[in-house]
Amino acid sequence: KQEVTQIPAALSVPEGENLVLNCSFTDSAIYNLQWFRQDPGKGLTSLLLIQSSQREQTSGRLNASLDKSSGRSTLYIAASQPGDSATYLCAVRSNAGNMLTFGGGTRLMVKP
Amino acid sequence: NAGVTQTPKFRILKIGQSMTLQCTQDMNHNYMYWYRQDPGMGLKLIYYSVGAGITDKGEVPNGYNVSRSTTEDFPLRLELAAPSQTSVYFCASVSGTQGRKLFFGSGTQLSVL
Repeated sequence: KQEVTQIPAALSVPEGENLVLNCSFTDSAIYNLQWFRQDPGKGLTSLLLIQSSQREQTSGRLNASLDKSSGRSTLYIAASQPGDSATYLCAVRSNAGNMLTFGGGTRLMVKP
Repeated sequence: NAGVTQTPKFRILKIGQSMTLQCTQDMNHNYMYWYRQDPGMGLKLIYYSVGAGITDKGEVPNGYNVSRSTTEDFPLRLELAAPSQTSVYFCASVSGTQGRKLFFGSGTQLSVL
């Protein structure tokens, strides 16, 4: 059974800092991995999707990497802004089945 | 496109009551999902559907039922509400498993008292 872990559970940084969020998974037989953003009281918005054959994806100030062999992904946020404050979740789609397995999320606060 | 629409946004139920959470999408997606999110936790899959007339259980299906009579709609039914079903429920859809992003509704916050 796939298990996804995100560390830390919460993170507070000053504005302008570069930061890294971590996601680890136990079964490396994955199809793809997605990073989501969730604002309080809202649904999830997909930020980046990395296929199993890819090593990284970039969108603006966001860069996500994937190392299948070690069961890890990172989300790098450059020059953080207060508007980046949200909960970030990673989710893995395994090769077998149609389900996404979610991590518990990292709650990020960027202080002005 | 409205995307994925969930109703209601909030609901309070008494123990033993029943209700249906509605979910509809206008993107012609064949895959649809119901998740629940407990405070400070990730999402747990309740049920999913790969197309009209086809549904399957996820990780936590007990106490819930679903149907998929059309491509657009995927309602979630709670028959005998229990306090353990207090949670935020999210519906999501995607056009397929071929590397496409998942789209989520804004959620239904349900309290069972």
